[in-house]
Amino acid sequence: DIQMTQSPSSVSASVGDRVTITCRASQGISRRLAWYQQKLGEAPKLLIYYASSLQSGVPSRFSGSGSGTDFTLTISSLQPEDLATYYCQQADSFPLTFGGGTKVEIK
Amino acid sequence: EVQLLESGGGLVQPGGSLRLSCAAFGFTFSTYAMNWVRQAPGKGLEWVSSVTYSGDSTNYADSVKGRFTIFRDNSKNTLYLQMNSLRAEDTAIYYCAKGGPESGNYYFHDFWGQGTLVTVSS
Repeated sequence: DIQMTQSPSSVSASVGDRVTITCRASQGISRRLAWYQQKLGEAPKLLIYYASSLQSGVPSRFSGSGSGTDFTLTISSLQPEDLATYYCQQADSFPLTFGGGTKVEIK
Repeated sequence: EVQLLESGGGLVQPGGSLRLSCAAFGFTFSTYAMNWVRQAPGKGLEWVSSVTYSGDSTNYADSVKGRFTIFRDNSKNTLYLQMNSLRAEDTAIYYCAKGGPESGNYYFHDFWGQGTLVTVSS
């Protein structure tokens, strides 16, 4: 099974800050990686797929990069509505696996 | 507008069974893979199962293999999860998620239902 390791597990930043979350796969997954945002009490929402493709309707301050085993989600200018937990997920092979999540808090 | 409406959750005793349903609207259901993902209280996301768009192939997490069955009825635009031999550790919100973003057998989850809560307890 492919293990997905996210870091940090939580981050606190101010409005307007740049926030970076990393995700490492235990083996190469090419670019078959997605990022999801989950706000408290809501279903997850797809932000990024194929490592860097922005899902329709997602603000351009979200971006993704990486390939192989190392991936990054960047929020270029943190907004109050970005308060959420973020998960990565590999879609390279079954079983599909998620990272443990990164909780983003606003200072 | 894509909508996924789950139903069938509830309280069940250990060893019992439940069948979850997910009614799909707003897209050509028969051309997309579908998935179940669960989230235990206060925990992260856990993939449970996937089915191809035609229904001819399925995959399961080891934690549910042999106990859960995913299937779909493309004539009714509905996805199902039959859950047998339920355990306390199956307690979670169960989400139905559409595969995507392209049609075919792709396993990013581009739309999610609101979830249905399954509680396994005596």
